[in-house]
Amino acid sequence: GNSVTQMEGPVTLSEEAFLTINCTYTATGYPSLFWYVQYPGEGLQLLLKATKADDKGSNKGFEATYRKETTSFHLEKGSVQVSDSAVYFCAQKGGSSNTGKLIFGQGTTLQVKP
Amino acid sequence: GAGVSQSPSNKVTEKGKDVELRCDPISGHTALYWYRQSLGQGLEFLIYFQGNSAPDKSGLPSDRFSAERTGGSVSTLTIQRTQQEDSAVYLCASSSGLAANEQFFGPGTRLTVL
Repeated sequence: GNSVTQMEGPVTLSEEAFLTINCTYTATGYPSLFWYVQYPGEGLQLLLKATKADDKGSNKGFEATYRKETTSFHLEKGSVQVSDSAVYFCAQKGGSSNTGKLIFGQGTTLQVKP
Repeated sequence: GAGVSQSPSNKVTEKGKDVELRCDPISGHTALYWYRQSLGQGLEFLIYFQGNSAPDKSGLPSDRFSAERTGGSVSTLTIQRTQQEDSAVYLCASSSGLAANEQFFGPGTRLTVL
């Protein structure tokens, strides 16, 4: 079935370091891909998305490119801040399903130290 | 309210008791989703409503779990004869109906089964 796999955390970085969180997916059809973020004490919120191959989603300095050939959607940021400390979830939606349900990866905890 | 709300925010119950979790979606949103976030299983889909109908219940883990939605608005997730493995954060999300549209998440209900 459809699934999402993302790198295990926690990931600990110093402020201004480069961030990559890997995400790969398996799917029938052509899903949309998402990154969600959960800040401490807050609800899950959409960070960025891409709906077709080669699309790049971007928001708040974060980017991810939909790579169909490698079935990947890696999250990157050039210079992280302490305020980026959160749990990041990669997810897919659609493909062979038309209900809109999201399939999530396990989540990756990012801790940024000053 | 402006966002998705859930109640209670925390629920502690004893094994074998029934619990009801409530979700108030964003006004006008026809699609409503329940997810569960647990340490062992990550973030997993439970059930999807379109209006008052549930065309996708594939994520409900057992027949102890049920959900309903009335008036195309409020939804209740009921867990009967709770077990310790039911302990998790239950998240509700709503969207404006089309499968492609963004889902907005509530803050969740943390359920602890003793």
